[in-house]
Amino acid sequence: DGGITQSPKYLFRKEGQNVTLSCEQNLNHDAMYWYRQDPGQGLRLIYYSQIVNDFQKGDIAEGYSVSREKKESFPLTVTSAQKNPTAFYLCASSMGQGRTDTQYFGPGTRLTVL
Amino acid sequence: GDSVTQMEGPVTLSEEAFLTINCTYTATGYPSLFWYVQYPGEGLQLLLKATKADDKGSNKGFEATYRKETTSFHLEKGSVQVSDSAVYFCALIGDDYKLSFGAGTTVTVRA
Repeated sequence: DGGITQSPKYLFRKEGQNVTLSCEQNLNHDAMYWYRQDPGQGLRLIYYSQIVNDFQKGDIAEGYSVSREKKESFPLTVTSAQKNPTAFYLCASSMGQGRTDTQYFGPGTRLTVL
Repeated sequence: GDSVTQMEGPVTLSEEAFLTINCTYTATGYPSLFWYVQYPGEGLQLLLKATKADDKGSNKGFEATYRKETTSFHLEKGSVQVSDSAVYFCALIGDDYKLSFGAGTTVTVRA
């Protein structure tokens, strides 16, 4: 089955620690995205990548970093600089980044800072 | 910038009732419009989409029509089931090629 996998489903972190969230897709999509979702709010874009070895900041990139070394993988690191990291993180991918390109989402990772 | 406004929830309905969730947008040019659904604890699933004016998207009994004259994309379903209980997000992709979301509407259907 083609799709997007995110791991782990739940993640706990102590304050001051960096943590990396995994996102893998086997849809052969060029574009990948990371979003953050807070309770009662819509999704906000953290980073996106249109092709391998290239990525751009979204609306709330501060305190996050990404890499895109392989087409199928787009890991997100939440650094200690992110002041309020507890949230639900969603990865998505699309064929391209055009106006009609549908984004497909993974199941999400819920990060809690203790 | 582009923005999406959808009706605030929560919305509570009885089974077999008619559901409407209003969605209006602000965007330059000709955006594509989407409805996504999120079940508890899960990611978002595409429900339907429309890419040009007067297009009607439909899926699983849900429908929405792209109305450029009223900048709207209201979601409707004629007879809801308990399994339709979820959070529904209206979204658009505009000239910046970024997906912009509304705040989401929580729908609860009671048996």
